[in-house]
Amino acid sequence: LAKTTQPISMDSYEGQEVNITCSHNNIATNDYITWYQQFPSQGPRFIIQGYKTKVTNEVASLFIPADRKSSTLSLPRVSLSDTAVYYCLVGEVNNDMRFGAGTRLTVKP
Amino acid sequence: EAGVAQSPRYKIIEKRQSVAFWCNPISGHATLYWYQQILGQGPKLLIQFQNNGVVDDSQLPKDRFSAERLKGVDSTLKIQPAKLEDSAVYLCASSLLAGVNEKLFFGSGTQLSVL
Repeated sequence: LAKTTQPISMDSYEGQEVNITCSHNNIATNDYITWYQQFPSQGPRFIIQGYKTKVTNEVASLFIPADRKSSTLSLPRVSLSDTAVYYCLVGEVNNDMRFGAGTRLTVKP
Repeated sequence: EAGVAQSPRYKIIEKRQSVAFWCNPISGHATLYWYQQILGQGPKLLIQFQNNGVVDDSQLPKDRFSAERLKGVDSTLKIQPAKLEDSAVYLCASSLLAGVNEKLFFGSGTQLSVL
């Protein structure tokens, strides 16, 4: 059971880079790290997934150190529309991979 | 590509009444999930189907909640009788398969208020 710990909330300003770190000390060898984004009144939306080192897509980058005990979601040049809750999940989709409370990111003008 | 469809969008009922939610997953997705999301919390998995079989329902309050997925496509989640603490958003999600690196695709959810 890989439990995750992430900050409850973060504030940023438009145009800044935002880094949200997730701690997962008990990550298993076969576990992947997945990040979801959730806007109010919507279901979570997949952002990015990785196993090790660095993954980048059109939305974000995911940095995973060699020991894989943490990961960092990086959002480049955030805008007001990036205000959302961001969830870090580790493992396989069943009861062992729980959505925590997530990180509530507020982007200010 | 059509997303996960859920209905109704909102539902208000009184305690002890029954309610049902419907979900149509993305075409071809074998795995379907129902989550409960209480205000201010992350989604909590209630039940997972693989085709029309239940993979995990350990967090489903079986004395009042039931779910089925007929023919391995659409699914319904029912609550009977509802309690005040069932007020939440009920999210349906689907994935192509069940596996460690599968992406979940969520619907917009049904917001249930129990008065």
